[in-house]
Formats: sequence, structure tokens, C-alpha cells
Amino acid sequence: GENVEQHPSTLSVQEGDSAVIKCTYSDSASNYFPWYKQELGKRPQLIIDIRSNVGEKKDQRIAVTLNKTAKHFSLHITETQPEDSAVYFCATTKTGTALIFGKGTTLSVSS
Amino acid sequence: GAVVSQHPSRVICKSGTSVKIECRSLDFQATTMFWYRQFPKQSLMLMATSNEGSKATYEQGVEKDKFLINHASLTLSTLTVTSAHPEDSSFYICSARDQGQGYGYTFGSGTRLTVV
Repeated sequence: GENVEQHPSTLSVQEGDSAVIKCTYSDSASNYFPWYKQELGKRPQLIIDIRSNVGEKKDQRIAVTLNKTAKHFSLHITETQPEDSAVYFCATTKTGTALIFGKGTTLSVSS
Repeated sequence: GAVVSQHPSRVICKSGTSVKIECRSLDFQATTMFWYRQFPKQSLMLMATSNEGSKATYEQGVEKDKFLINHASLTLSTLTVTSAHPEDSSFYICSARDQGQGYGYTFGSGTRLTVV
């Protein structure tokens, strides 16, 4: 089955700096790559996603890049703010199947 | 947008008892529901995939006789933790895909199960 590796497990940045989280996946048939932010005890919140026919997508301070050949995708957060502090998960899936999640990255943004 | 209602949000039960968790899709038909378990400071681990009207497909290592999944209608899926033990204490969360919304996956609000 699909295997998703996520790095780093923890990331500490200063407010205003950029943060990058990377994921690799194993199943070349995966075609949807969302990123989630999860607050403690809450459901995951979709922050951005990308499909396999697109290489990059941006939404204000957040961007995702996808390299299908290398089977990796990354989350980029620019101008980080303290409220960006949370646990971030990458996930992959192929049409109709369950999301498979990476192990998560705890992002801490200090002011 | 698509909404999945999950109940209860928190439950405490005694060892040996059973607990039922419900997930309802409120404004769409969920032909498939996914059930996840999340231990503290860990990721969401897929437990099983349930399809309306058929038996659930369990992931390797998940005991199907312990975690009973029923998906009898297009809007309701239930997970019953039978003979619960303290090691079953976890955050359980369901997810459904609204096929009318393309790739969108909607999550329930989760259930915090504590077995004492």
C-alpha cells in the first residue's frame, strides 16, 4: 500500500520567516495531495491541495509544489505568524480511496 | 459545504463495555466512509473503509471483531468498539468523500474515547 514520509517532525521558526515541510510517497497512482492543519483535539482542516496534473499551487502565504517524477510534494508557508503554530499533515490518495497521512510536523512560530 | 456530524464528541467507559460512535453525512450521500484512529501526538491511521450496504474493509492489524463497522444507509456509518480496554483509548474520526465535490474529503469532529 501507499507509504507517506513527512519531514521534519518538528520545525521552529521566527515570526516572518518561511517554513517548508516535505513529503514523499510511494504509489505512483496517487493523484491528489492535500495538506491539513490540526489543532489539538480537533478535526484536520484542509489548508491547500494539489492534483497530479498541476505542479504548483499558491493561496496567499501558502503554496504547494508537486514533483511527480520524484514522488514528492512540499508545503511552503511564507511570512509565518504565531497563529500558524500547529501540527501539519500531508496526505495522498488515488481516486475513490482513503487519504493516507504522513506522520505530521509540529510547527512552532515564535514572535 | 459537505458536513459530517460525529457523536459523541467525548465518551468515558469502563473496561469490558462497548461504545458506539456515529457519523452522519448531513447534506450529501456518503457511499464510502473512512474510519481513522489517532493516538496522542501521532498521525491519523486508517482503520477501515466502509461502503454502504457491504462489509467494511479493514487495514492490516485492525481487529474486525473488535471494531465493528456498520454502514447501513447512505448517510450513516457507525463504529462500535467492543469489549473496550484502556489501550483502545484514542481519538476516533470518520471521513467521507462527497463525490459531488470532486476530491473533497469531509471529516467528522472526532470522538475522544477514554477507557477506564
